Amino acid sequence: DAGVTQSPTHLIKTRGQQVTLRCSPKSGHDTVSWYQQALGQGPQFIFQYYEEEERQRGNFPDRFSGHQFPNYSSELNVNALLLGDSALYLCASSRARGGEKLFFGSGTQLSVL
Amino acid sequence: GDSVTQMEGPVTLSEEAFLTINCTYTATGYPSLFWYVQYPGEGLQLLLKATKADDKGSNKGFEATYRKETTSFHLEKGSVQVSDSAVYFCALSDLYGQNFVFGPGTRLSVLP
Repeated sequence: DAGVTQSPTHLIKTRGQQVTLRCSPKSGHDTVSWYQQALGQGPQFIFQYYEEEERQRGNFPDRFSGHQFPNYSSELNVNALLLGDSALYLCASSRARGGEKLFFGSGTQLSVL
Repeated sequence: GDSVTQMEGPVTLSEEAFLTINCTYTATGYPSLFWYVQYPGEGLQLLLKATKADDKGSNKGFEATYRKETTSFHLEKGSVQVSDSAVYFCALSDLYGQNFVFGPGTRLSVLP
């Protein structure tokens, strides 16, 4: 049983570019949440997707957008990249009903130069 | 809004020492409380959880008790090992397992 998988593992971009990160949830999970973890800090909630819709959103600008597909996989898109967007981006999956545990992927390390 | 505060690290201990990492929270309602661990180059893994007051979560020798009166969920282990070296995150979620809020993390280094 594969856990949460994320791709790519590492990414280098320059300011102003756009990036897409991908996540496949753990088998049986239908909810995907995205977190940004800056160096030395705890994960900060970006948004959560369920039934292909954004269900909740944290305090992140509209440059951060996402999508969930019918197979529950998800993408995180960031436009007009800033140096401050450099971070580890974590995807976590869970079950909407009776599933309070989050299962995390290993993350995508994004560096913006 | 909800928040989690942890003791600042890094914490450096010798093998077999006693570990305590303090965690306090501010939340409305009745949150569930968690400890997650992050090993180098990996994502977060659930270490233990407690869903109501006075519950004790335990796993791999680690324990934490949900103290509603002091709004705390301190992590303890009686005898740490070198393999316990990692970053530990205290977190809370709402009653439905949504709206996770994480603390800043505490780095633990255990020396042989």
